[in-house]
Amino acid sequence: AQTVTQSQPEMSVQEAETVTLSCTYDTSESNYYLFWYKQPPSRQMILVIRQEAYKQQNATENRFSVNFQKAAKSFSLKISDSQLGDTAMYFCAFLLSGGGADGLTFGKGTHLIIQP
Amino acid sequence: DADVTQTPRNRITKTGKRIMLECSQTKGHDRMYWYRQDPGLGLRLIYYSFDVKDINKGEISDGYSVSRQAQAKFSLSLESAIPNQTALYFCATSALEGEPYNEQFFGPGTRLTVL
Repeated sequence: AQTVTQSQPEMSVQEAETVTLSCTYDTSESNYYLFWYKQPPSRQMILVIRQEAYKQQNATENRFSVNFQKAAKSFSLKISDSQLGDTAMYFCAFLLSGGGADGLTFGKGTHLIIQP
Repeated sequence: DADVTQTPRNRITKTGKRIMLECSQTKGHDRMYWYRQDPGLGLRLIYYSFDVKDINKGEISDGYSVSRQAQAKFSLSLESAIPNQTALYFCATSALEGEPYNEQFFGPGTRLTVL
């Protein structure tokens, strides 16, 4: 079974700062996907960024980027030029390859607060 | 219109009652999932279905049952609700093939309170 660990229950930064959210995972598999989901107060789950384990290049989506270290089983999310609208719960998630397997495995989440 | 819908959005019920949460999707996806979210625990998989004839238990299936009535509909039932089933419930879908087949699309969630 896979496990996902987010060691920061809550983080707070000032608007426009850069913040990094940590995520580590444990698996014996070599083919998988990793995701960061954002959950604002509206409670909707929103996909922020996705990383395929077979790709060495770190994924980037506008102000969001990841640092994927496969050997270390680490998958951190960096948010640059943080905005008030980035305030939300952020979940790291793992998915086995091979067609989605048995669903996503989530970490417990990090509550990110962007201060004005 | 939303691609993945859940009804009801909020529900308060009493211990011992039977309750059904419904999920519908217009994305044409084969795969559907039910997750439960508790504060401080993230989301956990309850059941998943890869097609109408395929139902699989997830990490926390005890106390729940599901029905896949059609490709587009996947219902979650609590036969006899108990207070520790108070949680936020999400339905999600994903495609069988084609990109991004690994991406799951979530409904808006159902907040269930069992008194």
